[in-house]
Parts: sequence; C-alpha cells; structure tokens
Amino acid sequence: NAGVMQNPRHLVRRRGQEARLRCSPMKGHSHVYWYRQLPEEGLKFMVYLQKENIIDESGMPKERFSAEFPKEGPSILRIQQVVRGDSAAYFCASSTDPFGVEYFGPGTRLTVL
Amino acid sequence: QKEVEQDPGPLSVPEGAIVSLNCTYSNSAFQYFMWYRQYSRKGPELLMYTYSSGNKEDGRFTAQVDKSSKYISLFIRDSQPSDSATYLCALISGGSNYKLTFGKGTLLTVNP
Repeated sequence: NAGVMQNPRHLVRRRGQEARLRCSPMKGHSHVYWYRQLPEEGLKFMVYLQKENIIDESGMPKERFSAEFPKEGPSILRIQQVVRGDSAAYFCASSTDPFGVEYFGPGTRLTVL
Repeated sequence: QKEVEQDPGPLSVPEGAIVSLNCTYSNSAFQYFMWYRQYSRKGPELLMYTYSSGNKEDGRFTAQVDKSSKYISLFIRDSQPSDSATYLCALISGGSNYKLTFGKGTLLTVNP
C-alpha cells in the first residue's frame, strides 16, 4: 500500500529557472493538496485540486506559481522564474474526499541558488 | 495575532516522562483539531484527530480540546526516544473542511 509519493525529493535550481514538483496521491485518493514549509515557519496551505479542477488556490502566490492535476498522471506544482525566497519544503497531501484525513508525502526540498 | 500559536521549544525530557504540548488559537471558527508528528526530513504523520471539547485517548497519546479557552493539548505518557520529533497542531475551520492551519511545531527530544 504505497503512500503519497513525491519527486524529486531534492531539487536545486538557479534563480530564474523553472521548478516542477510532482505528487502521486495514495491509491483511491482523488483530492490533492499542496503545502509549503518555509524555514522557521509552519506549513502553509497553497492549493487544493481534484482531477482536472482547481478547487481552492487561495494560498498560492499570485505570480509564477501554478498547479494542475490532470486526468492521468501526477499532480504538478510549477514554479516559474524561481527566486531565493522560494527555497522551502513543498509537501503534497491526499485524501479520499474533502472531509477525509489528509495523508502527507515526504516532501520536495527546493533550494534556489 | 497569529491564528495558531505554538511554542517551538525545543523541549527535552528524559525517557518515561509525561510530555505536554500545547497550541492556542484565536479564531472560534476552528472546529476540527489534529496533531501531526514530523520526523526530521519527513512528511507530517497524523497522530490524533478530534472535533469536540474534551479528551481523546489513543495508547500513550491523549488529545485535549478546550474550545471555550481556545486551547488544545497533546499529552504523551511514558515517552520514548522514538517519540523525538516535531509535533504540529493543525486546525480546520467549519467553513473549509480541508484547509489545514498549522502551528509552527514543537521540537521534542526524549533522552534515553
């Protein structure tokens, strides 16, 4: 019973490059959430997606960040033109429904040089 | 005022001690309360989930909620070195069933 999978686990980008973070939810889960954990900060909600739909992106920065959860394949969090302030751990969680327990993946640690 | 306040510690206790971890919150709309455990460089793992005032027990763990005081606690009995981790409280408001609002986490070390 595989849990939530995220890759890559570590990602290094130079300023101005693009970062793509992938998340495969647990089997049977169709609801995906992305959270960001900045150094010395708690986890912050970014976006909630169902298959092919963005339900709530109220926590996403207005520029450079986008997310998708296509009909086939993993959910993708995309950060364009990364800046040093984007360096953080990005966690994906999934659940069976919006009222269900959210199970977290191991995270992707993004470092921007 | 932050929505959720949690003392970051660090907290260091001897093996076998009773540990008390706490969070306070300001928004009375929070209705669901969780505690997650996060080991270093890992994702958060759900420990306890409750939605009403009072106590909920699961093995060595007890979650306590006092909605009138906007105060939640996690107690760990007979603490073990394997309990060494960061403990995060997470709250959900009644108006948003999925959006977890986390405290910053308390780093706990249990010394053998």
